[in-house]
Amino acid sequence: SQTIHQWPATLVQPVGSPLSLECTVEGTSNPNLYWYRQAAGRGLQLLFYSVGIGQISSEVPQNLSASRPQDRQFILSSKKLLLSDSGFYLCAWSQETVSGNTIYFGEGSWLTVV
Amino acid sequence: DQQVKQNSPSLSVQEGRISILNCDYTNSMFDYFLWYKKYPAEGPTFLISISSIKDKNEDGRFTVFLNKSAKHLSLHIVPSQPGDSAVYFCAYGNTGNQFYFGTGTSLTVIP
Repeated sequence: SQTIHQWPATLVQPVGSPLSLECTVEGTSNPNLYWYRQAAGRGLQLLFYSVGIGQISSEVPQNLSASRPQDRQFILSSKKLLLSDSGFYLCAWSQETVSGNTIYFGEGSWLTVV
Repeated sequence: DQQVKQNSPSLSVQEGRISILNCDYTNSMFDYFLWYKKYPAEGPTFLISISSIKDKNEDGRFTVFLNKSAKHLSLHIVPSQPGDSAVYFCAYGNTGNQFYFGTGTSLTVIP
């Protein structure tokens, strides 16, 4: 069966510091990978998605970046964090079925920028 | 532009009664929908899906209804249990790689 893991689960970082959140998927090959953010009291905002190694699409302009160095590894980074980067970050992968795609989420990472 | 809309941010229901969560979409070409349940500080978990060739899909206590002419879908939970208290997201997923999520409805089931 497929599993997805992301870490760290909780992070408190000062403004201006760098960020690295990592996500890995097991049990599948060539998945579509995603980074979402849920700000407090709001819905799910798509940040990045990737259909293959080195292929990254950005949905929202921000000071974050994503990389996919391996087929099942997806990394969210920032060189200098802003207070507005605080939120709950979710990695996800999708699998295509006969009727449509289903997306599966990791456990999430709480980022507080202070 | 919100393509999938959940107009009720919250809902309270007595334990044992039916919970009905609603979702509207704008694009009549959408043909595959999903519902997710999310507890605080956890990732959303997949609940149930429906494709446009059906108007109903059932899985245990959860039933999703799709009204294509009204561009509306709903999730029914019967009977509601306290453990169902969570935020519920509807989403559209196509055969590509894009997913559109609603803003969520927070369900509280009162014991």
